[in-house]
Amino acid sequence: EADIYQTPRYLVIGTGKKITLECSQTMGHDKMYWYQQDPGMELHLIHYSYGVNSTEKGDLSSESTVSRIRTEHFPLTLESARPSHTSQYLCASTSRGEAYEQYFGPGTRLTVT
Amino acid sequence: AQTVTQSQPEMSVQEAETVTLSCTYDTSESDYYLFWYKQPPSRQMILVIRQEAYKQQNATENRFSVNFQKAAKSFSLKISDSQLGDAAMYFCAYRRLNDMRFGAGTRLTVKP
Repeated sequence: EADIYQTPRYLVIGTGKKITLECSQTMGHDKMYWYQQDPGMELHLIHYSYGVNSTEKGDLSSESTVSRIRTEHFPLTLESARPSHTSQYLCASTSRGEAYEQYFGPGTRLTVT
Repeated sequence: AQTVTQSQPEMSVQEAETVTLSCTYDTSESDYYLFWYKQPPSRQMILVIRQEAYKQQNATENRFSVNFQKAAKSFSLKISDSQLGDAAMYFCAYRRLNDMRFGAGTRLTVKP
């Protein structure tokens, strides 16, 4: 079954640590996205990619970085985690056609202590 | 830039009753797509319903239907016969080509 996966689901980490949030999809989608969402609040786009070796920053300024070396994989990295990074991070992907919706992963809930 | 506005941060409905969630958007384009997504507590966001702007007929998916008013740039979601499982955050979204915008969400509570 085609799907989109995120690991870890929950992460508690100390300030200053480097972390990578993983996102993979099995649908062959070209477009992938990272959103930051405080629980029950609106989504903020922080990064997106339209294909391999293509990455762009989103509307919300973020200290994270992303890479897209393979179509199915879109990891997000924080070089030095801070308490202000505590949030939920949602990964999504979509087909090239604009008629198609985004498929969302289950999210990673990050807590930086 | 296109914006999507959901003016109701929270809504409440009695089980088995009908509720309507509002969404307005701003665009100068004539061809685009509109979506409603549902995000249950601690669960994955999923698509509820989509509407093509070039279609006048309102989309329907079982108990979910939309009222699409293109001239007014309005796209409301009606949930009929509300069930406890409908309790969630609902997000309205606009997409044209590579541009996808989400509203701030409406939290729906269903009372038994």
